Amino acid sequence: GQQVMQIPQYQHVQEGEDFTTYCNSSTTLSNIQWYKQRPGGHPVFLIQLVKSGEVKKQKRLTFQFGEAKKNSSLHITATQTTDVGTYFCAGPGIGGNKLVFGAGTILRVKS
Amino acid sequence: NAGVTQTPKFQVLKTGQSMTLQCAQDMNHEYMSWYRQDPGMGLRLIHYSVGAGITDQGEVPNGYNVSRSTTEDFPLRLLSAAPSQTSVYFCASSPGTGGAYEQYFGPGTRLTVT
Repeated sequence: GQQVMQIPQYQHVQEGEDFTTYCNSSTTLSNIQWYKQRPGGHPVFLIQLVKSGEVKKQKRLTFQFGEAKKNSSLHITATQTTDVGTYFCAGPGIGGNKLVFGAGTILRVKS
Repeated sequence: NAGVTQTPKFQVLKTGQSMTLQCAQDMNHEYMSWYRQDPGMGLRLIHYSVGAGITDQGEVPNGYNVSRSTTEDFPLRLLSAAPSQTSVYFCASSPGTGGAYEQYFGPGTRLTVT
């Protein structure tokens, strides 16, 4: 079945450092979504990318969708303690009725 | 709007017991789904529904049943609880087909099976 792989599994950064998580799919995706889950909380939708090569920004967060629509990245500039949590990418499963999540990247920020 | 609500928040079961996790949404979303979250494994889809009366299996359906009699409610039943079902369970809803639209998650149910 379709898989969405995400790396790294875990990253611990000093406050102010940058952070990037990468997502790779075994198949071409019609879209990719990103979610954030705070410790003890539930996943919250951040953004959806649809177009090949698309780049979207939300303040210090930059999201990219690869040209082949099989990979994506989330980059956080100058991390803050409020950025801690797990970041998930997700793409449509075969048939389009399901959303397949990556394993997530856990971000810890040391102040 | 309350969004997606789940009850209970916490539950401890003994092996072999059955129970139902409740999920409701007030956004008139057609699509609803259940995920379980285990450390290092992300969110795995258990069952989903594209509308009232229609359900289908996800990635890890064994040991779970669902039904969708109304648009608002999507309960998840554990038939005979096993320690392997210890997990955090999230219900989600979406305004359209699960893979194309953002999902709204409930607060989760933390289940421990002893």
